[in-house]
Amino acid sequence: QKEVEQNSGPLSVPEGAIASLNCTYSDRGSQSFFWYRQYSGKSPELIMFIYSNGDKEDGRFTAQLNKASQYVSLLIRDSQPSDSATYLCAVGFGNEKLTFGTGTRLTIIP
Amino acid sequence: EAGVTQSPTHLIKTRGQQATLRCSPISGHTSVYWYQQALGLGLQFLLWYDEGEERNRGNFPPRFSGRQFPNYSSELNVNALELEDSALYLCASRDPRSTDTQYFGPGTRLTVL
Repeated sequence: QKEVEQNSGPLSVPEGAIASLNCTYSDRGSQSFFWYRQYSGKSPELIMFIYSNGDKEDGRFTAQLNKASQYVSLLIRDSQPSDSATYLCAVGFGNEKLTFGTGTRLTIIP
Repeated sequence: EAGVTQSPTHLIKTRGQQATLRCSPISGHTSVYWYQQALGLGLQFLLWYDEGEERNRGNFPPRFSGRQFPNYSSELNVNALELEDSALYLCASRDPRSTDTQYFGPGTRLTVL
């Protein structure tokens, strides 16, 4: 069973602080890893993807991947109220489909 | 560049009816994926179409079906609707240059009464 697990939250972070979102996956054959942001009632929006071990930075966002520990995380620096959303971790297995976690609800407190 | 489009935005049906949902991928994308997101649940994979063929399907009954047209647009059909089919149905298309990266449309909210 290919599974992706996330802490459902809610995670509350003060404005301007770093928000840290975590995800673990069960299948060691997983090849690609994604973070999507989903506002209430809207569709998921791609934030970042990462394929290799280590860190990948894009603006205020940093994705971290550790394949040995089967762990992927997303850091959001200088958190803004507009970052309040549900963050979905997704894992890919080579074009077949993405398997999603149930998401972590993040609230940025002004 | 236009994103993934879906229609209709909302769809209300009664139990036992059939629903048809439509999706147009980003230009140049040949793969289309369908997901179901029921209230409070994660996204569940339904179907994957590529080059007009069904390539994979998730753990859903056969009354969930679809097809992909020569222009790569896709249709999802749900027969014999049940109350638990009420959900947001999301279509995504995959960038052929980037393994696995999928971009989602706005979704169709299906309500079964």
